[in-house]
Amino acid sequence: DTGVSQNPRHKITKRGQNVTFRCDPISEHNRLYWYRQTLGQGPEFLTYFQNEAQLEKSRLLSDRFSAERPKGSFSTLEIQRTEQGDSAMYLCASSPATGGKTEAFFGQGTRLTVV
Amino acid sequence: AQRVTQPEKLLSVFKGAPVELKCNYSYSGSPELFWYVQYSRQRLQLLLRHISRESIKGFTADLNKGETSFHLKKPFAQEEDSAMYYCALSSTGTASKLTFGTGTRLQVTL
Repeated sequence: DTGVSQNPRHKITKRGQNVTFRCDPISEHNRLYWYRQTLGQGPEFLTYFQNEAQLEKSRLLSDRFSAERPKGSFSTLEIQRTEQGDSAMYLCASSPATGGKTEAFFGQGTRLTVV
Repeated sequence: AQRVTQPEKLLSVFKGAPVELKCNYSYSGSPELFWYVQYSRQRLQLLLRHISRESIKGFTADLNKGETSFHLKKPFAQEEDSAMYYCALSSTGTASKLTFGTGTRLQVTL
């Protein structure tokens, strides 16, 4: 599968623990996005990278959340001191930055459950 | 602030009936509008975007700036159209963050 890959697919953690998710974008895509989706809602934008630079962060991204893309390839999203309200599907997407294409390709997501 | 509204959580139609999934948006500039679809147990994928002005799987959507709408239409629903449909807006002309609606589940029954 040459699409966007996310790991793990599911994560159950106890409140207060830290979790880290990984996203591997489509190899030639230099833009990478993180979204969060809660039950009954559409995906909500969290942050995006162009290459290794984090260009925008949503207000949803509290200081417990941090995202990195150190070499401009894969990205990680870490949540520190998880809370029950963090339970959601975390989606990663990637897209090319040039060529007139505006399609974002999504991964299958990581479902986080905080107990 | 930009916003996308999909008023229906569930739309149930019979096979062969016409389908219209509603989407309204608010944005002060020139938006780019998309429809994304998620079939059961599959990832979110692009169905169509307004700048392409194309028909995908029999679906079309026309951007109406006067009514700030981007409704998705299909003349004859098929069982395989059953899925979750999300309308989304991008505020710039290149790939950037998307603002999604809450989605409409389309259920096509025999």
